[in-house]
Amino acid sequence: AQSVTQPDIHITVSEGASLELRCNYSYGATPYLFWYVQSPGQGLQLLLKYFSGDTLVQGIKGFEAEFKRSQSSFNLRKPSVHWSDAAEYFCAVGGIQGAQKLVFGQGTRLTINP
Amino acid sequence: DAGVIQSPRHEVTEMGQEVTLRCKPISGHNSLFWYRQTMMRGLELLIYFNNNVPIDDSGMPEDRFSAKMPNASFSTLKIQPSEPRDSAVYFCASTQTGANVLTFGAGSRLTVL
Repeated sequence: AQSVTQPDIHITVSEGASLELRCNYSYGATPYLFWYVQSPGQGLQLLLKYFSGDTLVQGIKGFEAEFKRSQSSFNLRKPSVHWSDAAEYFCAVGGIQGAQKLVFGQGTRLTINP
Repeated sequence: DAGVIQSPRHEVTEMGQEVTLRCKPISGHNSLFWYRQTMMRGLELLIYFNNNVPIDDSGMPEDRFSAKMPNASFSTLKIQPSEPRDSAVYFCASTQTGANVLTFGAGSRLTVL
């Protein structure tokens, strides 16, 4: 069975600073990988996904993530954060059933200092 | 498209009462998922349907929980009787089989007193 670990429960960065959120997964084959963002009181919105091909994927809102098979990681990055990026971020992994059996990490809460 | 629509957005009830949460998936999506979000356990898949048929309900916590999808545009998640430990945010999500990207509703926040 697949699993996801997001080591950082809470991260605080200054506006304009760079950001990296960590995600490590466990799955025996090539995984389907996702990052979702949840703003307070809202549902989850897809930021980006990796299924195959180029290991650096671009998403919405200026986010990108890199799949590193050797490290079982799929870290999310943004070169310069904006106050509106404050939210909770979830990494998720799916197996051969893709989205049918997504397993989510516990989430990382991002706070932005002005 | 209006997205995945859930109702009610907020529900406060007393222990022992029946609770029904509702979901309208995106038109054309044939897979529907119910998730529960709590601080302690994070996001958990409760059950999912393909073409209105329940495929995997292994995440349903116990017999007090039941879910139905009578047609392609409507699903319910029922808790009877409700308990305080059922307090959580319940999300519905939908997708087209094979698309592999879930679209989530805004959630239903349930508080059981």
